[in-house]
Amino acid sequence: EVQLLESGGGLVQPGGSLRLSCAASGFIFNNYAMSWVRQAPGKGLEWVSSISDSSRNTYYADSVKGRFTISRDNFKNTLYLQMNSLRVEDTAVYYCAKDSGDHDHWGQGTLATVSS
Amino acid sequence: QAGLTQPPSVSKGLRQTATLTCTGNSNNVADQGAAWLQQHQGHPPKLLSYRNNNRPSGISERLSASRSGNTASLTITGLQPEDEADYYCSAWDSSLSTWVFGGGTKLTVL
Repeated sequence: EVQLLESGGGLVQPGGSLRLSCAASGFIFNNYAMSWVRQAPGKGLEWVSSISDSSRNTYYADSVKGRFTISRDNFKNTLYLQMNSLRVEDTAVYYCAKDSGDHDHWGQGTLATVSS
Repeated sequence: QAGLTQPPSVSKGLRQTATLTCTGNSNNVADQGAAWLQQHQGHPPKLLSYRNNNRPSGISERLSASRSGNTASLTITGLQPEDEADYYCSAWDSSLSTWVFGGGTKLTVL
């Protein structure tokens, strides 16, 4: 059974940093691209970033480019999202998703709140 | 990055048929199709249909997806109370090299 477990969310002040993690199990992690997708309170889904299976290719939404960095450790079966220079508008539940060509499995999400 | 366009809400009666639409452009929906996701309040999204219109294992046969040009559609027949949820479409944009999502449609089953 595919399982994705996010962690690392919390409350941070504007300008601060957070590092999100997503522990994967139940599938061959290094065979799949992975993505982060966020959802602000009461809003729709917004794609944030994706990374290829080997980490060779990374992709970012314009709204986070230059501030967020996606990475993965295929030995630890873990996906990361380093979030710097956080803004109030980055407040959201952050989901990691397995990318088999579509986002076919999702974690439960972790809430990141940016507020003074 | 421009997203996909979905109607904000659709309301249908119990056991009726609902068709949800998702409009993109030649670089996303028309190029590789759109996937469909369902999200119940307080839960993560769940994939209902791949971009090739196939259903993942365990998804009800009452759901079917299709595409015509820049518009993808999700049809749900025999509506049940548990179908009441938010529905999102998503597609890969080959020009932008980004994923794009629709704004979501809230389906209400009366």
